[in-house]
Amino acid sequence: RKEVEQDPGPFNVPEGATVAFNCTYSNSASQSFFWYRQDCRKEPKLLMSVYSSGNEDGRFTAQLNRASQYISLLIRDSKLSDSATYLCVVNSPYSGGGADGLTFGKGTHLIIQP
Amino acid sequence: NAGVTQTPKFRILKIGQSMTLQCTQDMNHNYMYWYRQDPGMGLKLIYYSVGAGITDKGEVPNGYNVSRSTTEDFPLRLELAAPSQTSVYFCASKISGGAGNEQFFGPGTRLTVL
Repeated sequence: RKEVEQDPGPFNVPEGATVAFNCTYSNSASQSFFWYRQDCRKEPKLLMSVYSSGNEDGRFTAQLNRASQYISLLIRDSKLSDSATYLCVVNSPYSGGGADGLTFGKGTHLIIQP
Repeated sequence: NAGVTQTPKFRILKIGQSMTLQCTQDMNHNYMYWYRQDPGMGLKLIYYSVGAGITDKGEVPNGYNVSRSTTEDFPLRLELAAPSQTSVYFCASKISGGAGNEQFFGPGTRLTVL
């Protein structure tokens, strides 16, 4: 059973384009949702939390659809520096995943081309 | 603040050897975590701690041990290293409980067991 599923990509996108990723989660009791960014051979870093009402941070927009249990990330006016792997992270209570029950997706690999 | 630091950055072990991966945070965070990340896979929780003197197993604890004698340090011990433990190990911390709080990651330790 895959608790957090993402399309691994890679997504090859020209600079300046808009790109969107989706992520689905299996635990309907999940309460907190995040997008982390991971550069090659580096540690994950929080990109943004995902709120029920949706939220925006500059060129990045995150949406949550609880009924369908999916989360999306939209990147507008993509930059070369956006090239990275984007990890979908979900709090899954009672999954045995630790104090917070955070479950990480495998990540979606994004390549922005000049 | 240095954040979360990990040593060593790289290590090659022979089968059956032991080692300790060090993790230190200077943010006075109560919660600390150890994850492993295999190529193309999501992070898997090994062990976690909610405070000094308290540790608990995560999803993949076999072959590892931890201790938490201080708030700052959370070392991970590998006994009898096996090739299956070849991975990148990330330590993380966060201020307290609450699934919405951000986890901060260290730069990782790349371990190869031959």
